Amino acid sequence: DTGVSQDPRHKITKRGQNVTFRCDPISEHNRLYWYRQTLGQGPEFLTYFQNEAQLEKSRLLSDRFSAERPKGSFSTLEIQRTEQGDSAMYLCASSLDVTEAFFGQGTRLTVV
Amino acid sequence: GENVEQHPSTLSVQEGDSAVIKCTYSDSASNYFPWYKQELGKRPQLIIDIRSNVGEKKDQRIAVTLNKTAKHFSLHITETQPEDSAVYFCAASPGQAGTALIFGKGTTLSVSS
Repeated sequence: DTGVSQDPRHKITKRGQNVTFRCDPISEHNRLYWYRQTLGQGPEFLTYFQNEAQLEKSRLLSDRFSAERPKGSFSTLEIQRTEQGDSAMYLCASSLDVTEAFFGQGTRLTVV
Repeated sequence: GENVEQHPSTLSVQEGDSAVIKCTYSDSASNYFPWYKQELGKRPQLIIDIRSNVGEKKDQRIAVTLNKTAKHFSLHITETQPEDSAVYFCAASPGQAGTALIFGKGTTLSVSS
């Protein structure tokens, strides 16, 4: 499969725990995005990388969220001290410059 | 940063009718406007996109129009079919390094036969 892949697909965690998600973009894509989606809503922008540089973060993103993209390949999104309000689908997308962004299947996070 | 507003939030049409979804954007520097379709439980997928150097683009039953002066763009679906039922999202991007793709909140389209 040469598309965007995300791992894990589902994650259930207890409130207060830390979680980390991984995204593997399409190999030649230089842009990588993280979005959060709740039921019935559009993808809410979290952060964006151009190669290994994190160029933009949503001002809504709390300091409990951190993302990395070492070497400009895969990316990780970590949420520290999870809260019930963090429960959502976390989507990763990648693109080659300003062209079609391809989405992964997402990681569904449930905080109990 | 960019802000994208999308209307309506829900749209119900009869099979064969046309459907129109409208979006407005705030950043006059935006120059790339894609539309995504998301079926239940699936990832968003691109159905059509337009760049700011054109005013209209068509692909079979789907068309997108762009009015840069008014900062709005619209998705038009003609001869709707039940399989068009899904959530549709518009998005906008200034396209420069350091600017992200920002989405609208989505329109749930229901096509009844």
